[in-house]
Amino acid sequence: DTGVSQDPRHKITKRGQNVTFRCDPISEHNRLYWYRQTLGQGPEFLTYFQNEAQLEKSRLLSDRFSAERPKGSFSTLEIQRTEQGDSAMYLCASSFLADREAFFGQGTRLTVV
Amino acid sequence: AQKVTQAQTEISVVEKEDVTLDCVYETRDTTYYLFWYKQPPSGELVFLIRRNSFDEQNEISGRYSWNFQKSTSSFNFTITASQVVDSAVYFCALSSSTDSWGKFQFGAGTQVVVTP
Repeated sequence: DTGVSQDPRHKITKRGQNVTFRCDPISEHNRLYWYRQTLGQGPEFLTYFQNEAQLEKSRLLSDRFSAERPKGSFSTLEIQRTEQGDSAMYLCASSFLADREAFFGQGTRLTVV
Repeated sequence: AQKVTQAQTEISVVEKEDVTLDCVYETRDTTYYLFWYKQPPSGELVFLIRRNSFDEQNEISGRYSWNFQKSTSSFNFTITASQVVDSAVYFCALSSSTDSWGKFQFGAGTQVVVTP
């Protein structure tokens, strides 16, 4: 098992374009999380899944953001009509059980120009 | 509301010095977990330790040690005999039963710079 994998590692996009990120969690981990991290800050919670069910979304997740986890395996995070304020590192994490530590991927750094 | 405060923004030390990172948390829950993560320049958050709210025993793992004190709502982390490879941002985090363990509340992080 190679850990949590995120793709792409870097994405530069023009304002107004749509982007999609992918996360492959550690196999057998039924919890999957998305976080956003801006420079000099700690990660901020966006949303999480228990298997294929999206159980909670942060108020940070505007209606331009959507996340899916079909079949409870990989997950995608889509941002529509990107804005410069969306520029950040998007981190995915997974955990085996709800109260266990989460293991993080290397993140996708999004730059909106 | 949950809150994690890491008051130290940056700590600079010379190699072999000890460094202690402070973490103060707020929660109304009686059942919760505290974590420390390391984020090296490569960007990936690396899990270091998890501690539940009922276990106040201090823990030592190699050059790392943790001091959990519920009375002061603190979970401090000490690196003994620091090395250049310890240079990273360190985050303290909290999760609790109220949030169905669904989200980690992270502090703002402490940048540790170890110079040779």
